[in-house]
Amino acid sequence: GNSVTQMEGPVTLSEEAFLTINCTYTATGYPSLFWYVQYPGEGLQLLLKATKADDKGSNKGFEATYRKETTSFHLEKGSVQVSDSAVYFCALSDQTGANNLFFGTGTRLTVIP
Amino acid sequence: DAGVTQSPTHLIKTRGQQVTLRCSPKSGHDTVSWYQQALGQGPQFIFQYYEEEERQRGNFPDRFSGHQFPNYSSELNVNALLLGDSALYLCASSLWGRFTDTQYFGPGTRLTVL
Repeated sequence: GNSVTQMEGPVTLSEEAFLTINCTYTATGYPSLFWYVQYPGEGLQLLLKATKADDKGSNKGFEATYRKETTSFHLEKGSVQVSDSAVYFCALSDQTGANNLFFGTGTRLTVIP
Repeated sequence: DAGVTQSPTHLIKTRGQQVTLRCSPKSGHDTVSWYQQALGQGPQFIFQYYEEEERQRGNFPDRFSGHQFPNYSSELNVNALLLGDSALYLCASSLWGRFTDTQYFGPGTRLTVL
């Protein structure tokens, strides 16, 4: 079956620190991989995605590389800001006709000045 | 360009009641998916509608039902509410068959069951 395992949180970092949030997946086919972000009181927003092995998704200084050999899609950012405080969800799409998403449990990031 | 909209924003019901949540997809999208997000958890797929038919369903009981209208908007109905149904219900829209495309999420409806 399809599942996503995400790094346990919460994570607290000082501003300008390096961020890594680990994500590994199990999938029956060749999924697309996503990172979504949920700011306080808001819905989910797509942060970045990768649709095939070795692809790198990037947005707003965040990056993640689709690693088929390790079934991973770790999220990284070189220098976090207070405004990055949010909950981050790793997800996969199983690329069937229904294209539904399987989410991890989420990692809450708090960045302190 | 209007994004995904959901109504109502918040809802309070008591056990045993029935509830209907509504969703309008992003302009140009024809597929609507519903997710349940319990507090502190990731969203879980409930079901997906395309061409007014349920196309795929997650592991949810048949107390959860839905409908899609000709204008692509959708409703989620939950009967015989349980305390455990308290959650944020998210609607997402997309284009059918576009496997690598992004699903766009609405702000959600917060349902509280007392």
